[in-house]
Amino acid sequence: DTAVSQTPKYLVTQMGNDKSIKCEQNLGHDTMYWYKQDSKKFLKIMFSYNNKELIINETVPNRFSPKSPDKAHLNLHINSLELGDSAVYFCASSLAGDGDTQYFGPGTRLTVL
Amino acid sequence: GEDVEQSLFLSVREGDSSVINCTYTDSSSTYLYWYKQEPGAGLQLLTYIFSNMDMKQDQRLTVLLNKKDKHLSLRIADTQTGDSAIYFCAETESYNTDKLIFGTGTRLQVFP
Repeated sequence: DTAVSQTPKYLVTQMGNDKSIKCEQNLGHDTMYWYKQDSKKFLKIMFSYNNKELIINETVPNRFSPKSPDKAHLNLHINSLELGDSAVYFCASSLAGDGDTQYFGPGTRLTVL
Repeated sequence: GEDVEQSLFLSVREGDSSVINCTYTDSSSTYLYWYKQEPGAGLQLLTYIFSNMDMKQDQRLTVLLNKKDKHLSLRIADTQTGDSAIYFCAETESYNTDKLIFGTGTRLQVFP
């Protein structure tokens, strides 16, 4: 049983397009996150949501818009994709945030051409 | 701001012990974590240590925490080829324990 799942696993698209990545967790957790891992493997948090409410919003271009339809889902929509958006995007979840252990999804490798 | 540093590479022979080191800057971190990332895969939580502990052992893994020097290490006993991966240490931000600050990652290569 997959705990944190993401779709798609791979996404290749042209510059300027709009795309979405979906994340779902079946752990019953209240808090979900999006991280970006660049080509040098550096990982940085982008957003976190607790029970559908935005908690963390790091300095991320407003072309990135997370959406949480319910507490088990956190989707990431990216407008006007740029070459620099190419990265692996990881979703994670934790029980209630606030230092609870975060469990990561398998990642979505986004390539912008 | 917070900074978490790791050496980039470590190469060990199968059967030897591996020690992966990490230094961090936020002395108020509540939790410190070790994650493993295999090629093409997501991050797998290996272990974590609460900041009031000095050591934690979990089967082949031993975590040592030196709060004075802000130094965290992960020792893997009897390293196997399946342990080859990138290992990330991470700390929670002191004023926002929901935020994980990751290290740069250490690529462990285990050769026969």
